[in-house]
Amino acid sequence: GENVEQHPSTLSVQEGDSAVIKCTYSDSASNYFPWYKQELGKRPQLIIDIRSNVGEKKDQRIAVTLNKTAKHFSLHITETQPEDSAVYFCAARNAGGTSYGKLTFGQGTILTVHP
Amino acid sequence: EPEVTQTPSHQVTQMGQEVILRCVPISNHLYFYWYRQILGQKVEFLVSFYNNEISEKSEIFDDQFSVERPDGSNFTLKIRSTKLEDSAMYFCGQQLGLGEQYFGPGTRLTVT
Repeated sequence: GENVEQHPSTLSVQEGDSAVIKCTYSDSASNYFPWYKQELGKRPQLIIDIRSNVGEKKDQRIAVTLNKTAKHFSLHITETQPEDSAVYFCAARNAGGTSYGKLTFGQGTILTVHP
Repeated sequence: EPEVTQTPSHQVTQMGQEVILRCVPISNHLYFYWYRQILGQKVEFLVSFYNNEISEKSEIFDDQFSVERPDGSNFTLKIRSTKLEDSAMYFCGQQLGLGEQYFGPGTRLTVT
């Protein structure tokens, strides 16, 4: 089955700096890669996603890149703010030609943005 | 983001007891999922449910677990005989069809 590895496990940055979180996946058939932000005691919230037919996607201060050949994808947050502090999870899904299927999550990255 | 709701927010039960966790569906959402998250760990897939039947389940989802959506209403997860290691946050996930999965606020299950 799919295995998703996420690094780093913790990341500490100064406000205004950029943060990068990286994930690798094992199943070359995976074709959908979402990123979730989880604040303490809250639900994971979808912040951005990318499909395998796209190499990069951007939404304001966040962007995701995908390298299918290397089977890795990354989350980039620019101009970080204290409210970006949370746990970030990457995930992968092999939809097998459909649009549904289970998500396999990475271990999570605790991002701390210092004012 | 679509609003998924779950009840209860917190459930405390004794080992060996049955618990039922509920997820209130969003209209037009066709695919349902249950995930769990042990404190401080990653989110783990339990089961997916489509067209009133299980489409996939994980190794975690053993005979003690069951899901149903009676009368097209709430989507439920039942644990027949809870164990200490079942203590976790349980998230209901829903998906409309384009791919995005959204999670409910979760039920914190504490087994004592």
